[in-house]
Amino acid sequence: GEDVEQSLFLSVREGDSSVINCTYTDSSSTYLYWYKQEPGAGLQLLTYIFSNMDMKQDQRLTVLLNKKDKHLSLRIADTQTGDSAIYFCAEIPSHSGYALNFGKGTSLLVTP
Amino acid sequence: DGGITQSPKYLFRKEGQNVTLSCEQNLNHDAMYWYRQDPGQGLRLIYYSQIVNDFQKGDIAEGYSVSREKKESFPLTVTSAQKNPTAFYLCASSSSGTALQETQYFGPGTRLLVL
Repeated sequence: GEDVEQSLFLSVREGDSSVINCTYTDSSSTYLYWYKQEPGAGLQLLTYIFSNMDMKQDQRLTVLLNKKDKHLSLRIADTQTGDSAIYFCAEIPSHSGYALNFGKGTSLLVTP
Repeated sequence: DGGITQSPKYLFRKEGQNVTLSCEQNLNHDAMYWYRQDPGQGLRLIYYSQIVNDFQKGDIAEGYSVSREKKESFPLTVTSAQKNPTAFYLCASSSSGTALQETQYFGPGTRLLVL
């Protein structure tokens, strides 16, 4: 299938904000997701946004959606060392039978 | 304690051997999924099942087989036809697999290595 695009690496200092960007493929994707993966572990759902929303805030997490450009971003405020992980953007394309189409993931490194 | 379990955590395969990865869920979910993750890659869909006794091929089904005889179980067999099986395999489930807003929950994964 087509690729969901994400930058591969991001490094920030503890206490700063992190912004992870994603470009998805299917303009008819109704829900868009952010998952977090810690080393050697499965994926944990962080948050999701419905396509009729521009923004969703959940504690330190803010998701912005630009449907026209098919662009999704995840902002983590006051980033902590425990936020170091790989972050995946995912969509459910209309043809996929409700299986997720993932980006390659962004490795976030938080330094003290 | 509800969730998805995968076993084993590590699995070694010899050339020409078939191996089976286990995935069990006690969430009463109808839909289950298998993904493969390679280093520096996103997850790619191998197979999915929206209901018992039914399953569909994903993007990279060649060299793999599945069965869905019970709602709670969705084992994945990596056959000898899969020439590059070394990867991290993740199983997921969702409530019905027919509603776009459903969350997929993931198991802890099985790492398969070829000897």
